[in-house]
Amino acid sequence: SQTIHQWPATLVQPVGSPLSLECTVEGTSNPNLYWYRQAAGRGLQLLFYSVGIGQISSEVPQNLSASRPQDRQFILSSKKLLLSDSGFYLCAWSVRLRVEETQYFGPGTRLLVL
Amino acid sequence: QQQVKQSPQSLIVQKGGISIINCAYENTAFDYFPWYQQFPGKGPALLIAIRPDVSEKKEGRFTISFNKSAKQFSLHIMDSQPGDSATYFCAALTGGGNKLTFGTGTQLKVEL
Repeated sequence: SQTIHQWPATLVQPVGSPLSLECTVEGTSNPNLYWYRQAAGRGLQLLFYSVGIGQISSEVPQNLSASRPQDRQFILSSKKLLLSDSGFYLCAWSVRLRVEETQYFGPGTRLLVL
Repeated sequence: QQQVKQSPQSLIVQKGGISIINCAYENTAFDYFPWYQQFPGKGPALLIAIRPDVSEKKEGRFTISFNKSAKQFSLHIMDSQPGDSATYFCAALTGGGNKLTFGTGTQLKVEL
């Protein structure tokens, strides 16, 4: 069966510090990978998605970047965090080239920027 | 045109009652409509999904009703339980697409 891991689970970082969140998927090959941000009590904002190694699509211009160095690894980064970067970050994966590309979410990383 | 509008934003239902959450869309290219359930501090999990070639899909206490002509779909939770208290998101996908378009979410609270 497929599993998706995210770490760390929680993170408290000062403004201006760098960020690296990691997501890995097991049990599948060539997945689509996604990064979402969810502000407190709000909906899901798609930040990046990737259909393959080194292929990243950005949905919202911002202080963040994403990379996919391996087929089942997706990394969310920032060089300098802003207060507004606080939120719940979710990684998701889906099967490629299928009509019903339902996404499956990881457990999330709660980021607090102080 | 890519939006999925979801209502209500929050909902309080008595135990044993019916919870109803509604979504509407404009993009007729959408052809797959999943619902997600999210508990506090957890990632969303797929609850139930429907294709527009059927008007209703039922799984246990959860039913999706789909009205293609009105471009609306809804989630019904029968015999609502306190354990159903969560945030529910509707979503839509275009065939062969890589991205889901999510509604804004509904916070459901089921009271004893």
